[in-house]
Amino acid sequence: AQSVTQLDSHVSVSEGTPVLLRCNYSSSYSPSLFWYVQHPNKGLQLLLKYTSAATLVKGINGFEAEFKKSETSFHLTKPSAHMSDAAEYFCVVSENSGYALNFGKGTSLLVTP
Amino acid sequence: NAGVTQTPKFQVLKTGQSMTLQCAQDMNHEYMSWYRQDPGMGLRLIHYSVGAGITDQGEVPNGYNVSRSTTEDFPLRLLSAAPSQTSVYFCASSYSIQGYNSPLHFGNGTRLTVT
Repeated sequence: AQSVTQLDSHVSVSEGTPVLLRCNYSSSYSPSLFWYVQHPNKGLQLLLKYTSAATLVKGINGFEAEFKKSETSFHLTKPSAHMSDAAEYFCVVSENSGYALNFGKGTSLLVTP
Repeated sequence: NAGVTQTPKFQVLKTGQSMTLQCAQDMNHEYMSWYRQDPGMGLRLIHYSVGAGITDQGEVPNGYNVSRSTTEDFPLRLLSAAPSQTSVYFCASSYSIQGYNSPLHFGNGTRLTVT
């Protein structure tokens, strides 16, 4: 069985400071992991994905995530937050054998001036 | 290229009414799915389809029906609306039928209120 836990429901950072959104997963098989972003009143958009290639994955808008199997983590980071980064972020796990994706409950990122 | 189109954007129903949420994609994607999003719950899978004529249940299928008569369309039917179905509904599609293999493309959602 697969599941994902986003450790913070809300994160607040100042513009220009680093962003860290934490995600832990559990999976019986080699997982694929994704981060999606949702801006207000919009659908979700893929930020990045890990599918067993490089453990450090670069995504759009300067975001990146590192897959750490020993820690079962897939944290999302960005060196310098921008006001436009304010949104809801979802960590998603998928086992490499099925159709279903498991979504975390989301982390709301607030960026203050 | 419109991507995934959902209609309507907003809907208010009374308890017991039925309705259909429409979803269409123009990317020739095999995989389509419906999710509901509730505060603090993330997204939960209602139903999905891996091709025309094939549908299956997700995590929370009760009270919903789907069909997939064409590759492009995947409507979600509420048979008898209940207040517990008040939610934001998202349709999503993917090129690959394997969830791990390609990202989901989401519509902009339908906000449904059942009174």
